[in-house]
Amino acid sequence: AQSVTQLDSHVSVSEGTPVLLRCNYSSSYSPSLFWYVQHPNKGLQLLLKYTSAATLVKGINGFEAEFKKSETSFHLTKPSAHMSDAAEYFCVVSDPGYNKLIFGAGTRLAVHP
Amino acid sequence: GAVVSQHPSWVICKSGTSVKIECRSLDFQATTMFWYRQFPKQSLMLMATSNEGSKATYEQGVEKDKFLINHASLTLSTLTVTSAHPEDSSFYICSVPSAGTYEQYFGPGTRLTVT
Repeated sequence: AQSVTQLDSHVSVSEGTPVLLRCNYSSSYSPSLFWYVQHPNKGLQLLLKYTSAATLVKGINGFEAEFKKSETSFHLTKPSAHMSDAAEYFCVVSDPGYNKLIFGAGTRLAVHP
Repeated sequence: GAVVSQHPSWVICKSGTSVKIECRSLDFQATTMFWYRQFPKQSLMLMATSNEGSKATYEQGVEKDKFLINHASLTLSTLTVTSAHPEDSSFYICSVPSAGTYEQYFGPGTRLTVT
């Protein structure tokens, strides 16, 4: 069975400093992994996705994530946080064959001036 | 990415009444759509898979008689919350899968408040 663990429920950074949101997954298959962002009262937006191509995935708004099979991790990073990055971030794994998405619990990112 | 709309964006109803939420795929036809529920400050939980032309598939613990799903056409799925109660108050989100990938396109969500 697939599962996702987001290691931090809250992360707080200062504007201009790096962001690291941690995600570990469990999968019996070669997984497809995603990061989605949800701003308050807004729909989910796809940041980036890994689907067995390059292990370093670049997404929108300067975010990137690295798939590390040996560590079963897919951490999200950004070199320099912006105030507009404050939101809820979800790490997601896809259940192959059934097209189902399994969401992590989410990490709330706060960015301080 | 595909555009997915939901209507209404928010609704308030009285306990015991029923509420219908629409999910539309505006860019392409979808034989499958997904319905999620998100309680405040929590993650999304898949409720059911809506299948065009056949019955919906419900996740364990989701009452199919309470959450009626109708996939009326290749671009429209509806979720009806019957005999709503305050504990049904939540954010309901639909999604449409991308053909050939495991990506899904999400609607903006519908916030339901049952008083």
